Parts: sequence; structure tokens; C-alpha cells
Amino acid sequence: DVKVTQSSRYLVKRTGEKVFLECVQDMDHENMFWYRQDPGLGLRLIYFSYDVKMKEKGDIPEGYSVSREKKERFSLILESASTNQTSMYLCASISGKIRNQPQHFGDGTRLSIL
Amino acid sequence: AQKVTQAQTEISVVEKEDVTLDCVYETRDTTYYLFWYKQPPSGELVFLIRRNSFDEQNEISGRYSWNFQKSTSSFNFTITASQVVDSAVYFCALSEGRGSTLGRLYFGRGTQLTVWP
Repeated sequence: DVKVTQSSRYLVKRTGEKVFLECVQDMDHENMFWYRQDPGLGLRLIYFSYDVKMKEKGDIPEGYSVSREKKERFSLILESASTNQTSMYLCASISGKIRNQPQHFGDGTRLSIL
Repeated sequence: AQKVTQAQTEISVVEKEDVTLDCVYETRDTTYYLFWYKQPPSGELVFLIRRNSFDEQNEISGRYSWNFQKSTSSFNFTITASQVVDSAVYFCALSEGRGSTLGRLYFGRGTQLTVWP
């Protein structure tokens, strides 16, 4: 069974801090994704990566960056956290070789910026 | 552009009622995939079903059934004899079928289903 692990379930940080959200998958998947979920807005794609050191912007990349130094790990970075980045963050992965497979999601990180 | 619309923001039903969650999508691709995910109060997204654009057969899995109609660009989800454990947010999603963005999902805004005992 595919396992996508997010480093924290709940996280509280202060405005201006640099925040790292980590995601690790154990299925050798090529493609990894970071989403943000807000009530009434569904899931919105922040960044994704289809290979090590490769990244592409999603729909709402402003205020975020990502890092993919190893295939299994995809990190989301809030360079200078702001209160409007308080949200639920979800990581997902999928094989880049097999079509029509569902994305596998982590349990999510509820991030609060004070 | 890809777009998924779930017009129902919230639905409340009483246990044992049938309920249908609507999903309408837009895409210019001829090859695409449709998905439904369930998000219970605990927060994790649980995959329920996928459909590819070439397969318009309806599917039934226990109390769940899905109706895919390309003519109306809809992929509706019906729960028969609903139960309290069905209470969750349900997301419909669309995926492209090719290219480096393989697997990218476009989500609807979700429908919050509450089933009352």
C-alpha cells in the first residue's frame, strides 16, 4: 500500500517565520504535489514536481517555494509566513509512468500562522 | 482550461435517504480521467472511484453508484440508504491524460454531506 507521510499533523508558527512542510512517499513515484485546502474553495494546487530537482508552479504559488532533492521527498517552504497562509496543506504523489492511477494523499498538515 | 463544478455546497439528509452529489466538468482533452474522493472529519482524502473518458459505463459498489454522461459532461455520485458514517466532504476531480503534468488533478470545491440519525 502506498504511504504518503507528512511530517506534522498540526503546526503553529509566527508571522515572518520560515516554515518547512515535509512530505515523503514510499512508492518511488515520480510526481508529487502540494495542495492547499480552504473551506469553500476546495483543493488548490500550489506546486508540483515530476522529477528530482524539477518543479512547476500550480495555481497559487505566490509566497511559497518547493524543494525536491530526493525522489521520495517533496518539501513546501513558506519563505516568510503570513496569517493568510493559515490553512490545511495536503501532499500527494502518483506514478509518472502508469496512467489513470489515483493520487495518494497524506493525512494533511493544519498550519496556523499567528 | 480544465474546470470542475460542484454546485451543491452542503447537503443534509436523514439516515436511509438516497442522496446524489452532482459534478460537472469542462475540458478540451479527448482523453481524461474523473475521480471522486471522500474527506471524513479526520481530514485524509480517501479515493473512491476513477473513470476514464472512454468508459461511460455506470458503476455500482455497494451503496455507492456513479453516473458518467459525456453528453452533459457530468459525473454524478449517488449514495443509497445513506448512513451517518457517510458524513464527509466529497470532492470530484478531473485529471489530464498526458504530458509532464500527468496526474495533475483539478478539484471541485467539494460538497459537505451531513447525514443525521
